[in-house]
Amino acid sequence: AQKITQTQPGMFVQEKEAVTLDCTYDTSDPSYGLFWYKQPSSGEMIFLIYQGSYDQQNATEGRYSLNFQKARKSANLVISASQLGDSAMYFCAMREGRGGFQKLVFGTGTRLLVSP
Amino acid sequence: ETGVTQSPTHLIKTRGQQVTLRCSSQSGHNTVSWYQQALGQGPQFIFQYYREEENGRGNFPPRFSGLQFPNYSSELNVNALELDDSALYLCASSLAEGNSYEQYFGPGTRLTVT
Repeated sequence: AQKITQTQPGMFVQEKEAVTLDCTYDTSDPSYGLFWYKQPSSGEMIFLIYQGSYDQQNATEGRYSLNFQKARKSANLVISASQLGDSAMYFCAMREGRGGFQKLVFGTGTRLLVSP
Repeated sequence: ETGVTQSPTHLIKTRGQQVTLRCSSQSGHNTVSWYQQALGQGPQFIFQYYREEENGRGNFPPRFSGLQFPNYSSELNVNALELDDSALYLCASSLAEGNSYEQYFGPGTRLTVT
């Protein structure tokens, strides 16, 4: 079974600084995908970034980048120039399944607090 | 916003009762997945519906059941509610064809069982 591990229950960062949220994963499937979602207090899961296991380059989306180290099975999220609105829970997830059936397996999340 | 809507937003039920939660998927999506997120935890997969049939299920008892309608909207039904069913219930819609991989989540329904 696939597994996602997020070892940082909480992280603090000052506004305008960069922060790295850690995620390690475990799978025996050579084809997989890794996601990061942001969950504000309202509850909605907001998609941030995706990395496929065969992607040659690390994914980037605006201020978000994914530091994908396949050999170490890590997929850390880097947020550059943190903003107050970045304060939220962040979940790393892995896509499990093939074809028409795919589900997401989530980690336990990291709470990020951005201070002025 | 993703275009995925859920109703109701909040719900309070008593142990032993039954509840129905609703989800409207994003236009063009044919697959709906349901997740349960207990307080302080990551979401856990309940089941997935594709073209009106259940095509995958997580480790949840049969009292958790669902439906998907021809317009791809979906319902989650929970019978004989237990206190541990108190959670945020999230639905996610996706397109199960081609190389599409992204699941778009709704805002969730927060269920409290007393």
